[in-house]
Amino acid sequence: GDSVTQTEGLVTLTKGLPVMLNCTYQTTYSPFLFWYVQHLNEAPKLLLKSSTDNKRTEHQGFYATLHKSSSSFHLQKSSVQLSDSALYFCALRDNTNTGKLTFGDGTVLTVKP
Amino acid sequence: VTLLEQNPRWRLVPRGQAVNLRCILKNSQYPWMSWYQQDLQKQLQWLFTLRSPGDKEVKSLPGADYLATRVTDTELRLQVANMSQGRTLYCTCSAETGGLNYAEQFFGPGTRLTVL
Repeated sequence: GDSVTQTEGLVTLTKGLPVMLNCTYQTTYSPFLFWYVQHLNEAPKLLLKSSTDNKRTEHQGFYATLHKSSSSFHLQKSSVQLSDSALYFCALRDNTNTGKLTFGDGTVLTVKP
Repeated sequence: VTLLEQNPRWRLVPRGQAVNLRCILKNSQYPWMSWYQQDLQKQLQWLFTLRSPGDKEVKSLPGADYLATRVTDTELRLQVANMSQGRTLYCTCSAETGGLNYAEQFFGPGTRLTVL
């Protein structure tokens, strides 16, 4: 079945530095990848989405490029802010009509002053 | 704009007692409705997707048993039974995609369940 791997459980950075959160996936179908962000005591919210190979997608200063050759969809930002502190999930969409999302374990990003 | 309402928002559940959750869709353009659970370790897991009124599904997972029902075009219900560990249940919705399964899912605010 589908699977998503996020290798970092916790990332701590100082404000203004760049960040990359890793995401790799396994699927036998054409992939649809998403990044969701969950702030404390809130529901997950969509941050980025992509199904196009080698095309960068951007939103709110975050960006990611789907690379089918390496089965990766890493999340990046050039300069993190205090408000970026949150839990980040990479997710893979099921290719059937169930719409099932398979989530990685999540990465907690903590930004310090 | 709020697409989904969930109630209750939180509930204390005595061990062995079942609880019923509701999710109300506010925009009919997103008719695919699903349930996800988030455990205490923050792991997110898909439970069900129900599209049509009358659809029902059951599932047993470690820590809880579930029965989901699509009651109407705008209402989705979830019964949680035999819960042994707390969790948060999220309702989601997504657009009618036709042959292209490329649609983001919008999350409701969630219902947090705590075992007494």
